[in-house]
Amino acid sequence: EPEVTQTPSHQVTQMGQEVILRCVPISNHLYFYWYRQILGQKVEFLVSFYNNEISEKSEIFDDQFSVERPDGSNFTLKIRSTKLEDSAMYFCASRTGTASYEQYFGPGTRLTVT
Amino acid sequence: EDKVVQSPLSLVVHEGDTVTLNCSYEVTNFRSLLWYKQEKKAPTFLFMLTSSGIEKKSGRLSSILDKKELFSILNITATQTGDSAVYLCAVEFQGAQKLVFGQGTRLTINP
Repeated sequence: EPEVTQTPSHQVTQMGQEVILRCVPISNHLYFYWYRQILGQKVEFLVSFYNNEISEKSEIFDDQFSVERPDGSNFTLKIRSTKLEDSAMYFCASRTGTASYEQYFGPGTRLTVT
Repeated sequence: EDKVVQSPLSLVVHEGDTVTLNCSYEVTNFRSLLWYKQEKKAPTFLFMLTSSGIEKKSGRLSSILDKKELFSILNITATQTGDSAVYLCAVEFQGAQKLVFGQGTRLTINP
């Protein structure tokens, strides 16, 4: 069964460093998302991406964040200058965008900023 | 402000019991409500509900939506230890992309 994959599973970085989190959405999906979950808190929406552009973003998604679909398969989230409070589990999700609207989630990348 | 509230936050039962998990919401421009199961990592999709009163069923799990009273329930019958997980409820909006999640219900099934 097709699934969303994410790499790495765990990333440790120092404050102020740039990180890139990678996702491979399900192949026929058209809409892509990033969410994050700080330990013990709710899953929070960051950004949605369709047709090679951001379609919606939350207040959390400020200028230090960016997303890109550099080729036909990868979808990346870049954090330019990490802060301690960026430590969280980051989930990528995708959906078909046609008849069904359910989003399918990847296994997540745990980002630890020290 | 859009809100999704789940209850209880935590539930411990014995194998074989039936459980009911609740999700209430206050959102503008509701489109659908989704249930996910989160074990170690990725939330895995269970159900999507868009119409009131129509039960969705998958094995021992079922769910129903009440759009008048703004809530949904997730039932699990004859629970097994493999049902232990955090169950997440999320709401999707008309004309928007994001899901807004509740805080989850941590369900523990003891043998």
